[in-house]
Amino acid sequence: DQQVKQNSPSLSVQEGRISILNCDYTNSMFDYFLWYKKYPAEGPTFLISISSIKDKNEDGRFTVFLNKSAKHLSLHIVPSQPGDSAVYFCAARAAVNMLTFGGGTRLMVKP
Amino acid sequence: ETGVTQTPRHLVMGMTNKKSLKCEQHLGHNAMYWYKQSAKKPLELMFVYNFKEQTENNSVPSRFSPECPNSSHLFLHLHTLQPEDSALYLCASSHGGTTEQFFGPGTRLTVL
Repeated sequence: DQQVKQNSPSLSVQEGRISILNCDYTNSMFDYFLWYKKYPAEGPTFLISISSIKDKNEDGRFTVFLNKSAKHLSLHIVPSQPGDSAVYFCAARAAVNMLTFGGGTRLMVKP
Repeated sequence: ETGVTQTPRHLVMGMTNKKSLKCEQHLGHNAMYWYKQSAKKPLELMFVYNFKEQTENNSVPSRFSPECPNSSHLFLHLHTLQPEDSALYLCASSHGGTTEQFFGPGTRLTVL
């Protein structure tokens, strides 16, 4: 049973608009959440993270929101750029060195 | 070379072959990881090494054998694999106490 789920396999957004990627989890012991971005033929690269004691973290165009009661987090990208087109993974930590990943969402930003 | 490197980038092997995947990190980290990413599945953690000691084996079949001779190098020895083992194998590293993991580009493995 997947503890971290990304229910949208793909998302298409117009350049300049907002991209919202969603992630749901089931394990209430997760205490830290991360988003990674992956381009083809490259490994995932860390994007942004949030501790479970916070509900928002912002870094430039990227903001992550955490709703603990709903066990839901989202990544907002504003404004979206064509270079943001990639696969985005959310990940959650239940113990040191142990990350559980979602299945990924492919974002396509159209010029 | 910077970051995390993996060789080879692509590997095709028969079920009776023995091969090894190599990972090297140039970040001064002390934890290293092997992940498997199969088609349409999430990344699955296979092994974790902290200061060269294996601290996690996520119920991985014995046909996968990891080796960590030092904090900078990690190997995955493969023998008598099955076609369902075909996947992207990713190596990652981190400072032992931190959560952010840095990934290599992966080895695309095909088992015939």
